[in-house]
Amino acid sequence: AQTVTQSQPEMSVQEAETVTLSCTYDTSENNYYLFWYKQPPSRQMILVIRQEAYKQQNATENRFSVNFQKAAKSFSLKISDSQLGDTAMYFCAFMKHASGTYKYIFGTGTRLKVLA
Amino acid sequence: GAGVSQSPRYKVAKRGQDVALRCDPISGHVSLFWYQQALGQGPEFLTYFQNEAQLDKSGLPSDRFFAERPEGSVSTLKIQRTQQEDSAVYLCASSLILISYNEQFFGPGTRLTVL
Repeated sequence: AQTVTQSQPEMSVQEAETVTLSCTYDTSENNYYLFWYKQPPSRQMILVIRQEAYKQQNATENRFSVNFQKAAKSFSLKISDSQLGDTAMYFCAFMKHASGTYKYIFGTGTRLKVLA
Repeated sequence: GAGVSQSPRYKVAKRGQDVALRCDPISGHVSLFWYQQALGQGPEFLTYFQNEAQLDKSGLPSDRFFAERPEGSVSTLKIQRTQQEDSAVYLCASSLILISYNEQFFGPGTRLTVL
């Protein structure tokens, strides 16, 4: 069975600084997808960034980038130039497609607080 | 356009009562997912629909949980004879098309409290 582990329950960062959130996963699959979702205090979850496992190049979205290490099964999120609006819960998620269905597995989350 | 909506936003039930939670996905979205999110935890998969077909219900915790999407749009998650351990936020998400890379759009959730 697949598992997703986020070992940092809480983190804080000063505004404008850089922070890295860690995520490791366990799977025997070769083709899968990885996501980072952000859940602000209003609780509506939104996608931050995604990565296909078959792509070696790390995904980037503006201030957000990932460090995808497939062999190590690691998928960390780097937030550059942190802003107050980045304060939220961040969830790492693994997804695979098999037999016509989709399986999403989420980690337990990291609560990030950006300090002014 | 409008995002995913869920109703009610908050529901308090006495133990043993039946509840029905509604999800309105984004118009035209084929895929629909239900998740259960306990306090301080990540979402846990409950069930998945492709149009009106329920393709995976392996995450439903017991036969007290039932989900339907009869016309391939609105979905209802029903919980019969609620128990205290059912207290959680229930999230609904929808996706446009059936490719592995697709983004899920989440609703605001329904917070269920069972007394």
